[in-house]
Amino acid sequence: GEDVEQSLFLSVREGDSSVINCTYTDSSSTYLYWYKQEPGAGLQLLTYIFSNMDMKQDQRLTVLLNKKDKHLSLRIADTQTGDSAIYFCAEKKTGGFKTIFGAGTRLFVKA
Amino acid sequence: DTGVSQDPRHKITKRGQNVTFRCDPISEHNRLYWYRQTLGQGPEFLTYFQNEAQLEKSRLLSDRFSAERPKGSFSTLEIQRTEQGDSAMYLCASSTGGHRAEKETQYFGPGTRLLVL
Repeated sequence: GEDVEQSLFLSVREGDSSVINCTYTDSSSTYLYWYKQEPGAGLQLLTYIFSNMDMKQDQRLTVLLNKKDKHLSLRIADTQTGDSAIYFCAEKKTGGFKTIFGAGTRLFVKA
Repeated sequence: DTGVSQDPRHKITKRGQNVTFRCDPISEHNRLYWYRQTLGQGPEFLTYFQNEAQLEKSRLLSDRFSAERPKGSFSTLEIQRTEQGDSAMYLCASSTGGHRAEKETQYFGPGTRLLVL
């Protein structure tokens, strides 16, 4: 079945690293995405990783993929108050048309 | 091009009224998607267009919902006889389509927030 699961909340202090975790169910070739949503706004694509990769780094963002456990994580280094938002994990089959989203992890950054 | 745009950004209506939302995708994107997002949840897929053809509809899309993309550019989503349960954020996304990550990635608009009283 199609299911993407995330923890609902994460609170960190400014300057610390944040790690947001996600599990997914589709083991076939797929793209895995992290989107950020600020209050009242649409979804902003942060980064993506293909299922044959283990890691991807993009400035302060590091994505780790454990294919065996179908576990995806997003690490935000030097977390800032502007990083406070909801982070959605999502998966999409290669060549497919719809993206399946988790319920989102709300990140609180304390100054 | 500044990205996917949606209009209106907010809509308040009374139960039983019809509403129509518009989405303008990124100009070179031939794929267009509609999603619905309720409070505390991630977006849920509603329907998908490849150019002007509507190729897939979710079972979430009841008979009261209809979407069109007549010229393969902008799209409209109409909800007839609105119910309080239709209150949600309606998100539009677009992509170029294809088998490479950058072509498959969906870019989202700011959404239309609907409140049915």
